Amino acid sequence: GAGVSQSPRYKVAKRGQDVALRCDPISGHVSLFWYQQALGQGPEFLTYFQNEAQLDKSGLPSDRFFAERPEGSVSTLKIQRTQQEDSAVYLCASSYTGLNEKLFFGSGTQLSVL
Amino acid sequence: EDQVTQSPEALRLQEGESSSLNCSYTVSGLRGLFWYRQDPGKGPEFLFTLYSAGEEKEKERLKATLTKKESFLHITAPKPEDSATYLCAGSGNTGKLIFGQGTTLQVKP
Repeated sequence: GAGVSQSPRYKVAKRGQDVALRCDPISGHVSLFWYQQALGQGPEFLTYFQNEAQLDKSGLPSDRFFAERPEGSVSTLKIQRTQQEDSAVYLCASSYTGLNEKLFFGSGTQLSVL
Repeated sequence: EDQVTQSPEALRLQEGESSSLNCSYTVSGLRGLFWYRQDPGKGPEFLFTLYSAGEEKEKERLKATLTKKESFLHITAPKPEDSATYLCAGSGNTGKLIFGQGTTLQVKP
């Protein structure tokens, strides 16, 4: 596609609910990243995939966060038993090959946990 | 621990009033220093990558420079459409982009 696509654009969840956020990267991009951006802050790294392999998940805040990219294209970030502190914008980015490259970002999913 | 710090947090300029944004970094094995622009409700949009001290890059009214400890984004004669949040990020041994908190620029006509 023309750019990185994320859905839904907005998600409101009740505390304790599970949510799934989708990312469709630029066609042909090997690497995919998830970042979390709190209001007024810069993006913070969550996890990184190269094709279908999750090579780094060091930024995932807890075991309630889970990401997958089963066919090396579309990725899903799942948050189980959401908490209020999970409220943030979740950004997906892709790059042509891998690390140390410029990233192309989607518009993000704004998650609000009530 | 890798760290990127930006200043000021917010900057208000009159149209045509030039200024600079600062990015201080401590990134092990710096491979690249990136500047992004982020508009409200959008994801960051790539502007520049700088790779070594002394390097400069320009795009329209923006010029980015790099030293061994800092990067500057110079804005010459800004226009209202330059209003946005500017993010700096460093990439080093870990390969991940580590972002600063951003500088929110407002340019008034």
